[in-house]
Amino acid sequence: GDQVEQSPSALSLHEGTGSALRCNFTTTMRAVQWFQQNSRGSLINLFYLASGTKENGRLKSTFNSKESYSTLHIRDAQLEDSGTYFCAAEANTNKVVFGTGTRLQVLP
Amino acid sequence: NAGVIQTPRHKVTGKGQEATLWCEPISGHSAVFWYRQTIVQGLEFLTYFRNQAPIDDSGMPKERFSAQMPNQSHSTLKIQSTQPQDSAVYLCASSLDAETLYFGSGTRLTVL
Repeated sequence: GDQVEQSPSALSLHEGTGSALRCNFTTTMRAVQWFQQNSRGSLINLFYLASGTKENGRLKSTFNSKESYSTLHIRDAQLEDSGTYFCAAEANTNKVVFGTGTRLQVLP
Repeated sequence: NAGVIQTPRHKVTGKGQEATLWCEPISGHSAVFWYRQTIVQGLEFLTYFRNQAPIDDSGMPKERFSAQMPNQSHSTLKIQSTQPQDSAVYLCASSLDAETLYFGSGTRLTVL
């Protein structure tokens, strides 16, 4: 079936630093979304990409459908960025499958 | 725009009882998705509807689980004869043309 492999599973960053999260897909996906799940459990949509790169503030995401991966870059991390980040890939059937998540902790 | 509304926020049932979870999608959205989240399994796809029609229910356990969307304004997920392993947060999301998903706050189901 459709699989989404997300890495790393956990990440600690000091404030002001940055890093990248990655999702690999085992089949061709038509689009990808990235979400942040906050401490209350709410899933907040960060990006929807059918191709290319999008940027919003300190976040940037890229989706390469040919090579079947997507990345989420966080720069200048802030304490409020802490949470769990999920990628979700949309198959050609419109079914959306989630990765296993990256638990991000931003340290002062 | 109140967003996706899920009720109840919390539900506790005894083993063997029935549980019905409700979802009101964002007005005008044509697609509704149901997911289940647990620590062990993560976010699992259950089923999705487009224009009220069931499109893909490949994630639904074949027994005891059913989902319906009788009209544009709500969808229900029904679990019959609940078991402790059904305990999870059940999340509903809606989208316009199956693009960006907007999630509700979820229903936390606890089966004793």
